[in-house]
Amino acid sequence: EVQLVESGGGFVKPGGSLRLSCVTSGFDFTYAWMNWVRQTPGKGLEWVARIKGKAGGGTSDYTAPAKGRFTISRDDSRNTLYLQMNSLKTEDTAIYYCTTDDIPTWGRGTLVTVSS
Amino acid sequence: DVVMTQSPLSLPVTLGQPASISCRSSQGLVFTDGNTYLNWFQQRPGQSPRRLIYKVSSRDSGVPDRFSGSGSGLDFTLKISRVEAEDVGVYYCMQGTHWPRTFGQGTKLEIK
Repeated sequence: EVQLVESGGGFVKPGGSLRLSCVTSGFDFTYAWMNWVRQTPGKGLEWVARIKGKAGGGTSDYTAPAKGRFTISRDDSRNTLYLQMNSLKTEDTAIYYCTTDDIPTWGRGTLVTVSS
Repeated sequence: DVVMTQSPLSLPVTLGQPASISCRSSQGLVFTDGNTYLNWFQQRPGQSPRRLIYKVSSRDSGVPDRFSGSGSGLDFTLKISRVEAEDVGVYYCMQGTHWPRTFGQGTKLEIK
């Protein structure tokens, strides 16, 4: 069964850090391009970052809001995707989803709340 | 960034009737490999989004054939031939051709 299970969200003050994880199963993670996408009531769905699979050299790309503050990474031996989020801002409050182009379904997401 | 503009934003539909959602891109979506990476997602109330259609018109596994995608250039359409109660939710188009990938604002389908 294909699964994407996100974790690591929580409540953090502005300027704080969180590390999100996404444990996957049921597809070939090593070669999959993996993404973090977030959803807020105000801004809708927004891409955050992506990391290419083994064939793509494992390089990563970020959207403007994430650049310089977030780091996407992967551990192919654990079929796990990560998102290290530093210098968090209130506008980073969202549900964060781990996704891949290889399968149509998403995980349940993990809620990040940044507030003082 | 490529702007994806959906219309309408709210779509009341009678059960059994057809529905159509439009999505317009601010730039062409043909990638260097010749493919057009335009996807449609459905988000039912209280659930995560799931992809229904990829590369304009290919249905994902398990998606009923009442859903169809079409379009080219800047204009794309998602059609539901006969709306059922389980189709209630928000529908998003998304372009995967240009980085960053971008979504439309969403179209909320409800039963009239």
